[in-house]
Amino acid sequence: AQRVTQPEKLLSVFKGAPVELKCNYSYSGSPELFWYVQYSRQRLQLLLRHISRESIKGFTADLNKGETSFHLKKPFAQEEDSAMYYCALSDEGSISNFGNEKLTFGTGTRLTIIP
Amino acid sequence: DGGITQSPKYLFRKEGQNVTLSCEQNLNHDAMYWYRQDPGQGLRLIYYSQIVNDFQKGDIAEGYSVSREKKESFPLTVTSAQKNPTAFYLCASNHNEKLFFGSGTQLSVL
Repeated sequence: AQRVTQPEKLLSVFKGAPVELKCNYSYSGSPELFWYVQYSRQRLQLLLRHISRESIKGFTADLNKGETSFHLKKPFAQEEDSAMYYCALSDEGSISNFGNEKLTFGTGTRLTIIP
Repeated sequence: DGGITQSPKYLFRKEGQNVTLSCEQNLNHDAMYWYRQDPGQGLRLIYYSQIVNDFQKGDIAEGYSVSREKKESFPLTVTSAQKNPTAFYLCASNHNEKLFFGSGTQLSVL
């Protein structure tokens, strides 16, 4: 069974400092990984996915299969980055032709940027 | 305002009572999901449906039931068998590996 671990429940970082939110996973197949974010009073929404290899709002995440990690990074934190961040893994076994995978979420990390 | 609509925003359940949480979407997505969010535990999957008239149990399905009679609707019933129902419930739909979430329903026990 797949598992996603986010070891930090809370993380505080000064504005302008680098940010790294940790995510480790266990999965026997080929994983597809995502970061979701929930800003205050907003809905949970997709931040980025590893297959896109994109940078969103200055955040990047690299899949490291050797270390089974998908850490989220940003070189310079901004106050608007304060939010709850969830790492998620897609269950390849439930993929249908429609791509309707089942996602397993980590327990989340609350990031607070200190002005 | 399109997307995923959950109602009500707040719901109270009496002992032994079944309650139903509504989830409607106008995104024409096939797959829909119900998650439960508890402090310190993240999101846990209750049930999911990949297509109309079909659904599967997630990781914590006991005490819950669902139906998927229409593509747009995926209601969740919290039955009296669910002994710890107090939580924040999130509904979502999936398109191209991207989940779209509703604003949630907070269920509390009286």
